[in-house]
Amino acid sequence: EVKLQQSGDELVRPGASVKMSCKASGYTFTDYAMHWVKQSPGQGLEWIGTIIPLIDTTSYNQKFKGKATLTADKSSNTAYMELSRLTSEDSAVYYCAWSFDYWGQGVMVTVSS
Amino acid sequence: DVVLTQTPPTLSATIGQSVSISCRSSQSLLDSDGDTYLNWLLQRPGQSPQLLIYSVSNLESGVPNRFSGSGSETDFTLKISGVEAEDLGVYYCMQATHAPYTFGAGTKLELK
Repeated sequence: EVKLQQSGDELVRPGASVKMSCKASGYTFTDYAMHWVKQSPGQGLEWIGTIIPLIDTTSYNQKFKGKATLTADKSSNTAYMELSRLTSEDSAVYYCAWSFDYWGQGVMVTVSS
Repeated sequence: DVVLTQTPPTLSATIGQSVSISCRSSQSLLDSDGDTYLNWLLQRPGQSPQLLIYSVSNLESGVPNRFSGSGSETDFTLKISGVEAEDLGVYYCMQATHAPYTFGAGTKLELK
């Protein structure tokens, strides 16, 4: 069974950074792309970017360049996303999604002083 | 960026009723490889999105066959033949042909 287990919800100060994880199991981690998607409160879905663990290649939505950094650790089957210089606009739920077929449970990030 | 326009924004249905959701794209979603990367997702209340249909009309494993997708180029439709209570939630179309990948604004399916 494919499972994507994301790290816990985060409360962070404006200007800080946050790094979240997405641990994959039930499939070969390097076989497919891992996508990251943002869902703002009451809003729809936005694609942030994609990492292909096999070749460590990333592609980003221009909107999130400089904001999000995607990495992957093949040894632990875990993908990471770091968000930097956080503002209230970054308060949202963030999902990892394996090839869009399977989705993690989401990480709620709240940016507040 | 590709804009996906979903209609209607809200859909009220009774159990057993058949309904359709439209998704129109601002550009053709036919890729140079011959595939059309238009997917349909369902997000139930309090849950993560789940993939229902990929590449226009292919049913994801485990998804009931009352769901079907059709369309081409810029016009796509999701049909539910006989709504069940578990189908309630927000439906999104999304395209993965052109970067950045984009999503429609969603169609909320409610019980009448």
